[in-house]
Amino acid sequence: NAGVTQTPKFQVLKTGQSMTLQCAQDMNHNSMYWYRQDPGMGLRLIYYSASEGTTDKGEVPNGYNVSRLNKREFSLRLESAAPSQTSVYFCASSEWRAVRTEAFFGQGTRLTVV
Amino acid sequence: QKEVEQDPGPLSVPEGAIVSLNCTYSNSAFQYFMWYRQYSRKGPELLMYTYSSGNKEDGRFTAQVDKSSKYISLFIRDSQPSDSATYLCAMSDNDMRFGAGTRLTVKP
Repeated sequence: NAGVTQTPKFQVLKTGQSMTLQCAQDMNHNSMYWYRQDPGMGLRLIYYSASEGTTDKGEVPNGYNVSRLNKREFSLRLESAAPSQTSVYFCASSEWRAVRTEAFFGQGTRLTVV
Repeated sequence: QKEVEQDPGPLSVPEGAIVSLNCTYSNSAFQYFMWYRQYSRKGPELLMYTYSSGNKEDGRFTAQVDKSSKYISLFIRDSQPSDSATYLCAMSDNDMRFGAGTRLTVKP
């Protein structure tokens, strides 16, 4: 079992470029999440998808869009990258949005915007 | 004020020491309390999970929740070099909120 797989692992973008971060899970989970992790800030929720066909904003959604392509896949798009979006991005999934269930995280994408 | 406060450390202890990690929070609606462990260049993994107040023990790890003080703790007994990682507290009602994480190094 791969769990949660993110691609790419590393990326350098120029300001203004766009890119899509891919995430796939093979645990048949209903809920998926995108977080960013910055030093001293912890993990902050960007967007989540409680179930297939739905997406909602988290704490820090500005500058991002998401697509829940199917039950397995949840992508995060940066339309016009800014240096403030330099961060480590984690995708996570859980059986349901209700936090009684464990969230499983991918290995992260290290993004640098220059 | 952040909803969840956690001292980022770093914390360095000798092997065999007892480690105490702590978080405070401001949202009294939080019902679920978790500790995640994150090794360098990896994603977080759930270590302990507690509902409401009380203690929970799992091997060398003990999680405590004091809702009256809005304070949670993780104790690691007989710490090992393999425990060297960043420990993130997390808590939730519907949405999960994470602390900044405490970086722990256990020296042989």
